[in-house]
Amino acid sequence: AQSVSQHNHHVILSEAASLELGCNYSYGGTVNLFWYVQYPGQHLQLLLKYFSGDPLVKGIKGFEAEFIKSKFSFNLRKPSVQWSDTAEYFCAGPSGAGSYQLTFGKGTKLSVIP
Amino acid sequence: DAGVIQSPRHEVTEMGQEVTLRCKPISGHNSLFWYRQTMMRGLELLIYFNNNVPIDDSGMPEDRFSAKMPNASFSTLKIQPSEPRDSAVYFCASSLVGLGRWVEQFFGPGTRLTVL
Repeated sequence: AQSVSQHNHHVILSEAASLELGCNYSYGGTVNLFWYVQYPGQHLQLLLKYFSGDPLVKGIKGFEAEFIKSKFSFNLRKPSVQWSDTAEYFCAGPSGAGSYQLTFGKGTKLSVIP
Repeated sequence: DAGVIQSPRHEVTEMGQEVTLRCKPISGHNSLFWYRQTMMRGLELLIYFNNNVPIDDSGMPEDRFSAKMPNASFSTLKIQPSEPRDSAVYFCASSLVGLGRWVEQFFGPGTRLTVL
């Protein structure tokens, strides 16, 4: 089965610090990757997505992610975090070749200290 | 667009009772997904419908769980009888897929279920 793994369970940062959350996927072929964010008590919302083309993808709220095929990685970055970025972040990708189901990583909880 | 609509938002029930969760996907979407989220297990896919037909229900925990999608604009997830370990947040998501085309999944606000 194809999988998505996130390296960090909980990350604590001070405001204005830079952020990088790791995500690795296990499959080759056509790659569609997503980062979702879940603010406390809310539902998952799409941050950004990669389907093809430019491996550097820009999303909402200043987030970006870089698809590195050789490393099977799709890390999420933000140069300067804010308290309002406190949330849980999920990386996701197709469950298998030709599948429209998504497999989600375990999530990384980000706490930003004012 | 109202987005994915779920009801109820919160449900508290007693063990043994039947629980029905409802979902209205985004108009025009052809795929619907039911997920369960808990602290212990994270986000789990329960069942996936495409064009109202269940495609993969391997995530449904046991026979107490059933899901239906009678038409393109409505789906239900039923738990009968409910047990305390079913307590979780249940999310519905919808998407438009097919012919190699991908669109991200849009999530509803979720139903927080507590079984006493």
